[in-house]
Amino acid sequence: EVQLVESGGDLVQPGGSLRVSCTASGFTFNTYDMNWVRQAPGKGLEWVSHIGAAGRTKDYAGSVRGRFTISRDNAKNSLYLQMNSLRAEDTAIYYCGRLYTTSSGKALDMWGQGTLVTVSP
Amino acid sequence: EIVLTQSPGTLSLSPGDRATLSCRASQSVSSTSLVWYQQKPGQAPRLLIYGASRRATGTPDRFSGSGSGTDFTLTISRLEPEDFAVYYCQQSGNSPFTFGPGTKVDIK
Repeated sequence: EVQLVESGGDLVQPGGSLRVSCTASGFTFNTYDMNWVRQAPGKGLEWVSHIGAAGRTKDYAGSVRGRFTISRDNAKNSLYLQMNSLRAEDTAIYYCGRLYTTSSGKALDMWGQGTLVTVSP
Repeated sequence: EIVLTQSPGTLSLSPGDRATLSCRASQSVSSTSLVWYQQKPGQAPRLLIYGASRRATGTPDRFSGSGSGTDFTLTISRLEPEDFAVYYCQQSGNSPFTFGPGTKVDIK
């Protein structure tokens, strides 16, 4: 089955750190760029980070740059988001998404079910 | 940063109605970079339309996308009960790859 499964969400104190993971199955993981997108409770979607298929190109939203690090291990079909210096406003469901890229456009064509990160004392 | 504005915020319609959702960008967006997603409560988003007008695999043909430059539209020709959801546009061409705030389509 083709799927993405996130894990690692937890309750963490402000200023703390957490790493969330996304495990892929059913497709050739190392040929796809991947993204993280988050959604605060009751709010809309916010793009967080992008990583190229080989892991060399990385990009971040301004709200997380310098605090979050995206990485991947293609041998393990896994994507990671290391989150440091967490703030209350980082509380959200974190989704990983597969980036489908063609000459006609690019979009997140597969999403995981999400993992909840709560930042609170 | 490209800011996307969606209107209306909420659209109250009945099954069988036609729905027209708007997405406006603060600067020109390539047509290959405009995407529409659908999200139902408690679920992850689902890709509907990419490249402004191309239906993703599994998207029913009652959904259509159009537009160019700064103005894009998602049209649902006849609403089915399963179409009541929140719809987001996203631009995937220029980092940060911003989303609009969403349009909720609910039952009148």
